[in-house]
Amino acid sequence: KAGVTQTPRYLIKTRGQQVTLSCSPISGHRSVSWYQQTPGQGLQFLFEYFSETQRNKGNFPGRFSGRQFSNSRSEMNVSTLELGDSALYLCASSLASGVFPEAFFGQGTRLTVV
Amino acid sequence: TQLLEQSPQFLSIQEGENLTVYCNSSSVFSSLQWYRQEPGEGPVLLVTVVTGGEVKKLKRLTFQFGDARKDSSLHITAAQPGDTGLYLCARTLIQGAQKLVFGQGTRLTINP
Repeated sequence: KAGVTQTPRYLIKTRGQQVTLSCSPISGHRSVSWYQQTPGQGLQFLFEYFSETQRNKGNFPGRFSGRQFSNSRSEMNVSTLELGDSALYLCASSLASGVFPEAFFGQGTRLTVV
Repeated sequence: TQLLEQSPQFLSIQEGENLTVYCNSSSVFSSLQWYRQEPGEGPVLLVTVVTGGEVKKLKRLTFQFGDARKDSSLHITAAQPGDTGLYLCARTLIQGAQKLVFGQGTRLTINP
């Protein structure tokens, strides 16, 4: 079956702009999580969506937001981009069943803010 | 707050050697996962350990969960160039939810 698909793979934006990233989870997976990966901070949890509702949130400013659609596809939006937002943004999907659900990651979107 | 400390951060060894990487925490965790991430790809789950003292093997990789469930190790026997990558440990903060906290990772390079 198809894996987690993230689009676009690469993106260059100017400081102050906003950006929307997309994630299509594995078919049947209802949980979608977003992570930011940078060389300095490593992988950090942004938020998780389940059945169109934000279920968990990390410690990121309100400029970072997301949503999930009825087909479980998810989008992440970053407004008023800053240079420090340059990172690899990863999406992970899971069945969200069981005590320790397995996360399947996409290839990520590499965002560069100039 | 960095809840998981991984060591070493970088490791470069020759093909055929053995190696161990570590993941430590000051607090007890209910489970721990190990991932491998290759350049240009997302992390891929290798194993989940749950029980204190648990040992799991995946071909040449051996994963161990400490008795006190505060630490874990990954041992690779006879490393191969294909083992090159970033190894990450992660813990779930909320059971049943996908909220993972990752260590900084160990960047492993196996030289032919």
